[in-house]
Amino acid sequence: QSALTQPRSVSGSPGQSVTISCTGTSSDVGGYNYVSWYQQHPGKAPKLMIYDVSKRPSGVPDRFSGSKSGNTASLTISGLQAEDEADYYCCSYAGSYVFGTGTKVTVL
Amino acid sequence: QVQLQESGPGLVKPSQTLSLTCTVSGGSISSGDYYWSWIRQPPGKGLEWIGYIYYSGSTYYNPSLKSRVTISVDTSKNQFSLKLSSVTAADTAVYYCARFGSYDMTFDYWGQGTLVTVSS
Repeated sequence: QSALTQPRSVSGSPGQSVTISCTGTSSDVGGYNYVSWYQQHPGKAPKLMIYDVSKRPSGVPDRFSGSKSGNTASLTISGLQAEDEADYYCCSYAGSYVFGTGTKVTVL
Repeated sequence: QVQLQESGPGLVKPSQTLSLTCTVSGGSISSGDYYWSWIRQPPGKGLEWIGYIYYSGSTYYNPSLKSRVTISVDTSKNQFSLKLSSVTAADTAVYYCARFGSYDMTFDYWGQGTLVTVSS
């Protein structure tokens, strides 16, 4: 399977909203509601932020939200904060598991 | 709190076999709700799922790596292991072990990762 397609980078000022897209096919993103999102700070392990397209694990701020339309999933960060600057990866079930290409979020 | 810790050689020669072990603490690897996974990340690149194992020994591998991967489990030591054969420079990566929840289909706990370099 090919990696899911994400924009290389997105940026926003503190307090603004940014949205990261994750585009796949009907065999992965479009075929299952098993899309998750991971945040990774430099030199650290990824951290689960969203699962089942739009659910937040305990402890994840509610400014992180997820959605899906067709073969594209999205992660929105509202009220952007400095600590949100990191790489973000989507992941989908596809018979096996496939990750996105990754998006660097920069807080201006 | 579940913790995972990878261990193994940081340098492997081309054509040899990469071997890593993940030690799980704070929870039993024999819990029926979880699979135990390996994921890797080449320097500066994205994540790639390698495969996972259930405590019973059932395994599931990434089709692109299946011919070279073996994941095994030792429930008595609360450990699981990865072997990747015939390595090349393209296998240089940070290797993470992670817990996969079968209920919510997520990698919810991760080790800190260990860099394995393939070089002569």
